[in-house]
Amino acid sequence: QVQLEQSGAEVKKPGASVKFSCKASGYSFTSFYLHWVRQAPGQGLEWMGISKLSGDTTRYAQKFQGRVALTRDASTSTVYMELSSLRFEDTAVYYCARGRLQTGYDLSFWGQGTLVTVSS
Amino acid sequence: QSVLTQPPSVSGAPGQRVTIPCTGSSSNIGAGYDVHWYQQFPGTAPKLVIYGNTNRPSGVPGRFSGSKSGTSASLAITGLQAEDEADYYCQSHDSSLSGVLFGGGTKLTVL
Repeated sequence: QVQLEQSGAEVKKPGASVKFSCKASGYSFTSFYLHWVRQAPGQGLEWMGISKLSGDTTRYAQKFQGRVALTRDASTSTVYMELSSLRFEDTAVYYCARGRLQTGYDLSFWGQGTLVTVSS
Repeated sequence: QSVLTQPPSVSGAPGQRVTIPCTGSSSNIGAGYDVHWYQQFPGTAPKLVIYGNTNRPSGVPGRFSGSKSGTSASLAITGLQAEDEADYYCQSHDSSLSGVLFGGGTKLTVL
């Protein structure tokens, strides 16, 4: 079955960078897009970007361009998100999610989330 | 500020029908992009309940339905049950932002 396993919680100071992961299993890793969505405490969902794994390309929401980077390791079916120049408002749960179909934007499968806390 | 507008909250009694609107614009829903809907319980990841405007994933009760018209979409839940109490989000694509959008979310309370 499809599973997305995310790395553990992180605590970082303002201005630092954080890198966390999403390990996929149960399907052909490079055949599906992988999305990243975050949710600040008590707030709604916010789309951050997408890894188009078949061509190893990425696209980011305008808000995060220049501050976020998605990379992949096909040998371990893992995608990494790195967010730099952290601000207090980056405190959130970060989810990876996969579409129902290969190029799908309807997110049928979700990781359990990684909590990133930015605190001085 | 989200450009997909949802009411912050809706409520209904058990057995009733509720609808949750999602209002967009000509650059997203009105441009023909699909609308998807998610249900989220506190402390858990969202769950897809409607995809492609009107389709239910396997395992989602038939009480959930979706519709789309013009620049708006709507999620309807009939025969409301206590277990439906959750947050609901619409999602679409926006051509001007070249990316995915979520609505601000609606908290459904079952009275």
